[in-house]
Amino acid sequence: QVQMQESGPGLVKPSETLSLTCTVSGGSINPYYWSWIRQSPGKGLEWLGYIYYRGYTDYNPSLKGRVTMSIDTSKNHLSLKLSSVTAADTAVYYCARNQMLPYDIFDIWGQGTMVTVSS
Amino acid sequence: DIVLTQSPGTLSLSPGERATLSCRATQSVNNNHLAWYQQKPGQAPRPLMFGASLRATGIPDRFSGSGSGTDFTLTISRVEPEDFAVYYCQQYGGSPITFGQGTRLEIK
Repeated sequence: QVQMQESGPGLVKPSETLSLTCTVSGGSINPYYWSWIRQSPGKGLEWLGYIYYRGYTDYNPSLKGRVTMSIDTSKNHLSLKLSSVTAADTAVYYCARNQMLPYDIFDIWGQGTMVTVSS
Repeated sequence: DIVLTQSPGTLSLSPGERATLSCRATQSVNNNHLAWYQQKPGQAPRPLMFGASLRATGIPDRFSGSGSGTDFTLTISRVEPEDFAVYYCQQYGGSPITFGQGTRLEIK
């Protein structure tokens, strides 16, 4: 069955760029929408945006242009970049598969990766 | 953005009792695109319900969902020991997708 695994640095300095990768195994990236979601004690679960296998994206306006998502269908990889991070970006970051639609439930989740923003 | 408010914050029940969890939206959720998730410590959320009342794959029938517009309910008919967890609602009627703050179901 499809599994997802996030990876990336666990510690990022303030003002720098957070970069994470999500590897999809056991299935294809096509033809799904894929989302990034984060969870912090202060803000709960927050949807960051989605990317379609063809590269279309929609981002949460709350991130104010700091987020970029990309996809590599040949490697079954998703990527997330979040620039100008602050302590408020400290969270567990998840990649997840949308069930079918751009705005949908998330039927498969990665295990999540904790990212701490601190100097 | 649609804000989802869940109540109660914590629900204390004994196994075998009925659990009723509420999720209220600040505006009508398009097409009743409302989902529920269960999350246990150290795990990602697991989908339980979608479309307000449809069970996700593999979810037992003691879980049911209801509601429309702005008021939605998740019911567990008889709580099992494995059901003690945190429950979140999510609306996906439009962008941005938003989540409720969660209801913790704890053992009484």
